[in-house]
Amino acid sequence: DTAVSQTPKYLVTQMGNDKSIKCEQNLGHDTMYWYKQDSKKFLKIMFSYNNKELIINETVPNRFSPKSPDKAHLNLHINSLELGDSAVYFCASSQVQDRGSEQYFGPGTRLTVT
Amino acid sequence: AQSVTQLDSHVSVSEGTPVLLRCNYSSSYSPSLFWYVQHPNKGLQLLLKYTSAATLVKGINGFEAEFKKSETSVHLTKPSAHMSDAAEYFCVVSTTSGTYKYIFGTGTRLKVLA
Repeated sequence: DTAVSQTPKYLVTQMGNDKSIKCEQNLGHDTMYWYKQDSKKFLKIMFSYNNKELIINETVPNRFSPKSPDKAHLNLHINSLELGDSAVYFCASSQVQDRGSEQYFGPGTRLTVT
Repeated sequence: AQSVTQLDSHVSVSEGTPVLLRCNYSSSYSPSLFWYVQHPNKGLQLLLKYTSAATLVKGINGFEAEFKKSETSVHLTKPSAHMSDAAEYFCVVSTTSGTYKYIFGTGTRLKVLA
């Protein structure tokens, strides 16, 4: 049973298009996250939801919009894709929003914008 | 503000020899620290976490980390490297107030030579 799953695994699209990435966790966790990993492997948080409420919103262009329909799902919609959006996007979840709470990561979605 | 510095971007060891991956942290309060591993084209897997309970923490796959407050370090070690340990390793600190979030180090690529 996959704990944190993401679809699609690979996404190739052209500049200007709109695309979505979906994430689901079956761990019963309260908190979910989106991270961006750039070409140098650096990971940075983008968003976090706790019980469907947005609690972290880093300095991300507003072309990126997260949506959490329920505690188990967190989707990421990206409008007007740009070359610089090419990266690997990871979804993660944690049991609670606490500094000692470990996060469980999905397998990642590799987005390539041409 | 919290931060982590991984002192080596690349480490090469021979199979069967010890592994040492170095990480220094900066935190105003007792930190929560984590080590994650990322195998090629995979998501991140938690190796271990430190949350002020003990100075030596054992993780999965034979890894352990020693927390040294006086040196603000949490180096990751393994007595004997295996080929399957070749991966990217990330040291992570959690913020200690407000909305908790992970701050990632820049990663250390471990290469294991036959």
